[in-house]
Amino acid sequence: DAGVIQSPRHEVTEMGQEVTLRCKPISGHNSLFWYRQTMMRGLELLIYFNNNVPIDDSGMPEDRFSAKMPNASFSTLKIQPSEPRDSAVYFCASSIPTGGGPTGELFFGEGSRLTVL
Amino acid sequence: AQSVTQLGSHVSVSEGALVLLRCNYSSSVPPYLFWYVQYPNQGLQLLLKYTSAATLVKGINGFEAEFKKSETSFHLTKPSAHMSDAAEYFCAVSDRIRAGNMLTFGGGTRLMVKP
Repeated sequence: DAGVIQSPRHEVTEMGQEVTLRCKPISGHNSLFWYRQTMMRGLELLIYFNNNVPIDDSGMPEDRFSAKMPNASFSTLKIQPSEPRDSAVYFCASSIPTGGGPTGELFFGEGSRLTVL
Repeated sequence: AQSVTQLGSHVSVSEGALVLLRCNYSSSVPPYLFWYVQYPNQGLQLLLKYTSAATLVKGINGFEAEFKKSETSFHLTKPSAHMSDAAEYFCAVSDRIRAGNMLTFGGGTRLMVKP
């Protein structure tokens, strides 16, 4: 079974450049999450999709960040323009939401490590 | 609103010693609680979860955690540490009432195991 697949695993770019991170969730999972991990702030939820629809984007830091989920098997997180403070590991996770029932497990990808010079 | 506090950002134990990683939560509704482990350069993977069944939850790799409502705690333990347990551990809480699986993570505890 393929897990959550993220690309690229590592990205080094210069300030001002556009960055696009990609995620393929586990087949059949219809919730998708983007997290950011830094030493200073830990794990932060950026945005959450359910059935390809953004449900909560309150964690997106500013307008430079945008996320899309055009179909059930693909999502992107875009930063334009990038800044050095965006340097972090970005994780994508997927799960099967259970409505009012017990919550399920989040399955994480291996992350995309972004360095903005 | 929910929150999680993990006491101790770093914990060091000797191989074979008891592992105790502390987690306290705050939630206005009955919570679901989780422990995740992150090995270097990897994503997070689930160790165990509490979803209102037994208060003592057993997970993978010999870890277990006990939900104590009176103490609002969900501490993670393992009787005997192994070198391979060295990793970062995250406690997380979710609101069982809302749809979806939105988790709030604690700041993490890095476990170091000395030979």
